[in-house]
Amino acid sequence: AQTVTQSQPEMSVQEAETVTLSCTYDTSESDYYLFWYKQPPSRQMILVIRQEAYKQQNATENRFSVNFQKAAKSFSLKISDSQLGDAAMYFCAYRGINSGTYKYIFGTGTRLKVLA
Amino acid sequence: DGGITQSPKYLFRKEGQNVTLSCEQNLNHDAMYWYRQDPGQGLRLIYYSQIVNDFQKGDIAEGYSVSREKKESFPLTVTSAQKNPTAFYLCASSPGRGETQYFGPGTRLLVL
Repeated sequence: AQTVTQSQPEMSVQEAETVTLSCTYDTSESDYYLFWYKQPPSRQMILVIRQEAYKQQNATENRFSVNFQKAAKSFSLKISDSQLGDAAMYFCAYRGINSGTYKYIFGTGTRLKVLA
Repeated sequence: DGGITQSPKYLFRKEGQNVTLSCEQNLNHDAMYWYRQDPGQGLRLIYYSQIVNDFQKGDIAEGYSVSREKKESFPLTVTSAQKNPTAFYLCASSPGRGETQYFGPGTRLLVL
């Protein structure tokens, strides 16, 4: 069975600095998608970034980028120029493509605090 | 505007009562999901549906039931068998294989 592990329950970063959130996963599938979601205090889950496993190029979305290491099964999120609005819970998620199921597997989350 | 709506935003349940949480999407997505989130915790899958008139149990289906009679609707009933229903419930949908999952705003269920 697939698993997603976020080993950092909480992280802190100074405003305007850079922070990296870690995520590792375990799967025997070759084709899959990986996601980072943000959950601010409003509790609305917001997609931050998505990575297709077949793409070697790391996905980027403005200040957010990932370091995707397929062989190591690692998918970290880097937030550059951190802003107060980035404070939230961040969840890493996995979705296999060939398993025949539409299930998404979520990690337990990392709470990011941004210090002014 | 396309999106996922959940109602009500807050729901109160009395002991022994069944309550139903509504989830509607107008994104024309095939798959829909229900998750439970407890304070400070991650998302746990209750039920999901890949197509109309079909659904599968997730990791914590006991005490819950669902139906999928229409593509756009996936209501969740919290039955009296669920002894600890106080939580935040999130509904989500996705277009299909490997696609991004989109979430509704959530319903907070409290027990009186």
